[in-house]
Amino acid sequence: ETGVTQSPTHLIKTRGQQVTLRCSSQSGHNTVSWYQQALGQGPQFIFQYYREEENGRGNFPPRFSGLQFPNYSSELNVNALELDDSALYLCASSLGRADNEQFFGPGTRLTVL
Amino acid sequence: RKEVEQDPGPFNVPEGATVAFNCTYSNSASQSFFWYRQDCRKEPKLLMSVYSSGNEDGRFTAQLNRASQYISLLIRDSKLSDSATYLCVVNIEGNNRLAFGKGNQVVVIP
Repeated sequence: ETGVTQSPTHLIKTRGQQVTLRCSSQSGHNTVSWYQQALGQGPQFIFQYYREEENGRGNFPPRFSGLQFPNYSSELNVNALELDDSALYLCASSLGRADNEQFFGPGTRLTVL
Repeated sequence: RKEVEQDPGPFNVPEGATVAFNCTYSNSASQSFFWYRQDCRKEPKLLMSVYSSGNEDGRFTAQLNRASQYISLLIRDSKLSDSATYLCVVNIEGNNRLAFGKGNQVVVIP
């Protein structure tokens, strides 16, 4: 196991609702990256947090937002859910830069009805 | 054009055979390259980093061709446990993120 945990495991929401996903990073890691993986696709980068600040963002609208806490755990918030937001949401923790190995959590599977 | 392109397959491989696949990347500023393995309904896990000189880890060999902007992975003596999706991953300089391909799905057949 990677030591990265995510909650909840599964979630079902309806269009227009809001959701918060949580991630606890591996001990000693100060960087958390969030990815969205739609069925049959590779993970797509949403954003990264380094020492509580956003440190890069992918091509996702502002209704995708996040936080990192002093203990380096992180949240992903998605407002105004759309059907296309249905996916596996993965967080990955690492130490410092992106070319250090990223350790993924098991993911949260979000279904939007 | 996508940042990382892979032929998703599936690649049906007899047990014991060799399978190889490539991925191409579009950004010549890419600096770091990786292969990740993802089992069905599980998270991706690092299989190996890819170095300019190429590298080998047991039955797995990775190569990088910067001139043609592609990365390859070769699996020798395939085992049933090698069945998984292999994700090609690129880190772009100055951008703190990894770009993933769609993955190559490998199915090893007894």
